[in-house]
Amino acid sequence: KQEVTQIPAALSVPEGENLVLNCSFTDSAIYNLQWFRQDPGKGLTSLLLIQSSQREQTSGRLNASLDKSSGRSTLYIAASQPGDSATYLCAFGSSNTGKLIFGQGTTLQVKP
Amino acid sequence: DTAVSQTPKYLVTQMGNDKSIKCEQNLGHDTMYWYKQDSKKFLKIMFSYNNKELIINETVPNRFSPKSPDKAHLNLHINSLELGDSAVYFCASSRGGSRSYIYEQYFGPGTRLTVT
Repeated sequence: KQEVTQIPAALSVPEGENLVLNCSFTDSAIYNLQWFRQDPGKGLTSLLLIQSSQREQTSGRLNASLDKSSGRSTLYIAASQPGDSATYLCAFGSSNTGKLIFGQGTTLQVKP
Repeated sequence: DTAVSQTPKYLVTQMGNDKSIKCEQNLGHDTMYWYKQDSKKFLKIMFSYNNKELIINETVPNRFSPKSPDKAHLNLHINSLELGDSAVYFCASSRGGSRSYIYEQYFGPGTRLTVT
């Protein structure tokens, strides 16, 4: 069964901290991995897309890495800000099923 | 200039009713999706269409029927609504056809359906 696990489920940090969100997956037929942000009552916004042939992608204060052999991805957020507070979801594109498989997300709160 | 839009944003209805949710994208994408996000925040695909053709049809009750009049629109009709249908329904779009999973997906704001 294809699964995506995100740890921790919730995280609260003071403003300015660097933090890491974790995502693990069980399907070896991963084509890519995407990180999304979801604000309360809103849709999902794509943050970063890493192809299976890549190791990492960076956008501003965000850096996502992918290790296919261990089935893990991390999202690193540098110098966190209150505006980063949201739920972060990872999803992998499966070449077996042709679908995006989502984790349950990590809800982040950055306190001023 | 919203990329993926859905209507309505909120939908409250009684058991047994029939309702529709509409989705439109102006990104020029070929593929559109319906996802369901339950109360535990799990987001799971229901359907995907490429150029008006059904590609993915998950194990969804046949009370749910998607319809794509053109590649920019994908509507979801639900018959005989049940309490368990209460969830947030997201529409999304991307490039690509059967290999659309390789492309970035763009999501609409969601429709919160409450069945009483």
